[in-house]
Amino acid sequence: AQTVTQSQPEMSVQEAETVTLSCTYDTSESDYYLFWYKQPPSRQMILVIRQEAYKQQNATENRFSVNFQKAAKSFSLKISDSQLGDAAMYFCAYRSYLNQGGKLIFGQGTELSVKP
Amino acid sequence: GAGVSQSPSNKVTEKGKDVELRCDPISGHTALYWYRQSLGQGLEFLIYFQGNSAPDKSGLPSDRFSAERTGGSVSTLTIQRTQQEDSAVYLCASSETRANYGYTFGSGTRLTVV
Repeated sequence: AQTVTQSQPEMSVQEAETVTLSCTYDTSESDYYLFWYKQPPSRQMILVIRQEAYKQQNATENRFSVNFQKAAKSFSLKISDSQLGDAAMYFCAYRSYLNQGGKLIFGQGTELSVKP
Repeated sequence: GAGVSQSPSNKVTEKGKDVELRCDPISGHTALYWYRQSLGQGLEFLIYFQGNSAPDKSGLPSDRFSAERTGGSVSTLTIQRTQQEDSAVYLCASSETRANYGYTFGSGTRLTVV
């Protein structure tokens, strides 16, 4: 079974600085998707960025980028120019390409605080 | 609708009572998922509906939990004889047939069992 691990329960960053959130996963599959979700206090999960395992190029969405290391099964999220609105819980998630329907497997989350 | 709608937003119930949580997915989304998020924890998969296929119930923690989806749209998660350990946020999400672009989540129902 696939597992997702986020080893940093809490992280802190100064406004305008850069922070990297770690995520590792375990799978025997070669094709899959990886996601980062943000959960603010409103509780609604918001998709931040996604990566397809067959693509070597790291995904980028504005200030958010990932470092996808397939061999190491690592999928870290980098937030550049951090803003106060980035403060939230961040979840890394895995989805099999073929199996398990569309079920996402989530890590335990990292709570990010942004200091002004 | 424009997003995934869940009701109620908050629910306090007495131990032993039954509760129903409702999810109204995005129109046209064929897949619907329920997750449970306990305090300080990640999201735990509960159940998944895809079109007219039999639902994947592999994540339901006990036979006190059940869910249905009527007409391929609205879903209801029912918890019978609630226990204090059922206290959590219950999140619903929907997606198109293949969730390649992730899901759209609702804001969840916070269930408190006293």
